[in-house]
Amino acid sequence: DGGITQSPKYLFRKEGQNVTLSCEQNLNHDAMYWYRQDPGQGLRLIYYSQIVNDFQKGDIAEGYSVSREKKESFPLTVTSAQKNPTAFYLCASSEQGSGANVLTFGAGSRLTVL
Amino acid sequence: GIQVEQSPPDLILQEGANSTLRCNFSDSVNNLQWFHQNPWGQLINLFYIPSGTKQNGRLSATTVATERYSLLYISSSQTTDSGVYFCAVEFSYNTDKLIFGTGTRLQVFP
Repeated sequence: DGGITQSPKYLFRKEGQNVTLSCEQNLNHDAMYWYRQDPGQGLRLIYYSQIVNDFQKGDIAEGYSVSREKKESFPLTVTSAQKNPTAFYLCASSEQGSGANVLTFGAGSRLTVL
Repeated sequence: GIQVEQSPPDLILQEGANSTLRCNFSDSVNNLQWFHQNPWGQLINLFYIPSGTKQNGRLSATTVATERYSLLYISSSQTTDSGVYFCAVEFSYNTDKLIFGTGTRLQVFP
């Protein structure tokens, strides 16, 4: 079945540690996105990529980094510079990066900083 | 100011009831989507509807772009409809980014 796989599902981290969240898609989509969701809130865009080897900052990129070396993969690193990293992280993809394209989401990764 | 506003924030229904969820947006849009987030966090796209009306089973949606609002109708609600419903828009002046509202939390009881 085509879809988006995020791992790990749950992750605990000590303060000061970097952590990388994986996102893999087999939908052959060009565009991929990372969103952050805090309790009771909507989704906020962290980074997005419309093509391999290119990505753009979203609304809350500080303290995060990404790479897009393969079309299928868009890992997100939460660095120690992110002041409040505990959140639910959602990866999504679409056929193209704009206009009439529907987002497909992964199941999410829940990060807790101890 | 608030760009994408959803109402009501919370809704409690008994099975079989109908409901209407509203999404107001502050400017013209290229793209508007409705999503359902289940209690485990999975988001599923319900409609892509920048204008007009669509129906899918018990769900339907209408967007009146000139008046900057969209409505999601749920008829004969079931307990599996519980979760959070999000409206997300791509404004014409800021393409490539979907802006999410804060959602409507729906609880359907048997």
